[in-house]
Amino acid sequence: GAVVSQHPSWVICKSGTSVKIECRSLDFQATTMFWYRQFPKQSLMLMATSNEGSKATYEQGVEKDKFLINHASLTLSTLTVTSAHPEDSSFYICSAVGWDQQETQYFGPGTRLLVL
Amino acid sequence: AQSVTQLGSHVSVSEGALVLLRCNYSSSVPPYLFWYVQYPNQGLQLLLKYTSAATLVKGINGFEAEFKKSETSFHLTKPSAHMSDAAEYFCAVSDFGNEKLTFGTGTRLTIIP
Repeated sequence: GAVVSQHPSWVICKSGTSVKIECRSLDFQATTMFWYRQFPKQSLMLMATSNEGSKATYEQGVEKDKFLINHASLTLSTLTVTSAHPEDSSFYICSAVGWDQQETQYFGPGTRLLVL
Repeated sequence: AQSVTQLGSHVSVSEGALVLLRCNYSSSVPPYLFWYVQYPNQGLQLLLKYTSAATLVKGINGFEAEFKKSETSFHLTKPSAHMSDAAEYFCAVSDFGNEKLTFGTGTRLTIIP
């Protein structure tokens, strides 16, 4: 149980284009989903917190117009990197918290984004 | 504010030896504490969690951790290292599980054959 998937696992795009990353909770309903980014050999940094049906809460320093988050259902959240630039290249990881285990975040496998 | 300190960014142990990964935390309220493992190019897998129940927590793959309030520590141990334990380990703290996690900087564990 408590499986979280992400799609795609790898994406390469040209500078200036937009990329959408999906995060799905496969066997539970997620009250909250979190988006993190991780640079090589570094820890995870929280970008934003999203609750189903409401606007995401962004961490300080994260541009909400650049990193668009939509949490349309209890099993799906999407992160869109708009007008991507090479400095946006990173490993993006989502996590989800379920109704019945609200103390534990379950993480997706991550999406590696490379912007050329 | 919460914070997590992981002492030792790299730890190497011989196969079959004791694994000890250190984690100290700072929290203004009783914390929830977690250990996650990350294999290369993968997401994080929950090893174990402390949520104010038993102070000695047993997790998957033979790992366990002990919550010591007096020392503000939550060190991760495994009696006998296996080659498959080689990975990056993250300690994390939250005030309540559905609030944001604050991660330590990670410890890379290398197992020497």
